[in-house]
Amino acid sequence: AQSVAQPEDQVNVAEGNPLTVKCTYSVSGNPYLFWYVQYPNRGLQFLLKYITGDNLVKGSYGFEAEFNKSQTSFHLKKPSALVSDSALYFCAVSPPGYSSASKIIFGSGTRLSIRP
Amino acid sequence: DAGITQSPRHKVTETGTPVTLRCHQTENHRYMYWYRQDPGHGLRLIHYSYGVKDTDKGEVSDGYSVSRSKTEDFLLTLESATSSQTSVYFCATVAGDFPGAEQFFGPGTRLTVL
Repeated sequence: AQSVAQPEDQVNVAEGNPLTVKCTYSVSGNPYLFWYVQYPNRGLQFLLKYITGDNLVKGSYGFEAEFNKSQTSFHLKKPSALVSDSALYFCAVSPPGYSSASKIIFGSGTRLSIRP
Repeated sequence: DAGITQSPRHKVTETGTPVTLRCHQTENHRYMYWYRQDPGHGLRLIHYSYGVKDTDKGEVSDGYSVSRSKTEDFLLTLESATSSQTSVYFCATVAGDFPGAEQFFGPGTRLTVL
């Protein structure tokens, strides 16, 4: 079965330090990969995506993600965390061959907490 | 929230009562989706629509129905609400039917079924 895993329910980082939020997937072929962020009492907002090409993808608010095909991972990273980065982060995977978002699988989410 | 509104934003209801949630979009997007968000489960797709009067089931469709009579409106109905349907419900759209299209989400509706 196709799946997405975010192994950490919560990640705590000091402001100014680098951060990583992990995501691994189990999908056959070359999937489309996404990161979304959810601030309190808001809907999800798109951060970045990997479709093809360069394994390092840059997105909004200084975030980037690295696609690693051999490890089937798509970890979200930021060189220097801000307190305002504190939010809930979701990884999502869309199996290849589907253009409709009806096949997107979301991870369970990772709460990122940045302490001043 | 990319021109997507949801109403109501909060609702408390009793078991057995019907409930309808509304999603309204101003982007003229063809595809619309209803998700529920529960702790530990991320987002799970309930139903989606690929055009006016064209809908299909998602992963967790039991107990839910949808209707789409206009491009801009997508309604989610709980015919007889149960406590297991207590959740936060999100509507989403995509701009087009192309690989890797990102979704735009509404602000959510928090539903409590007592």
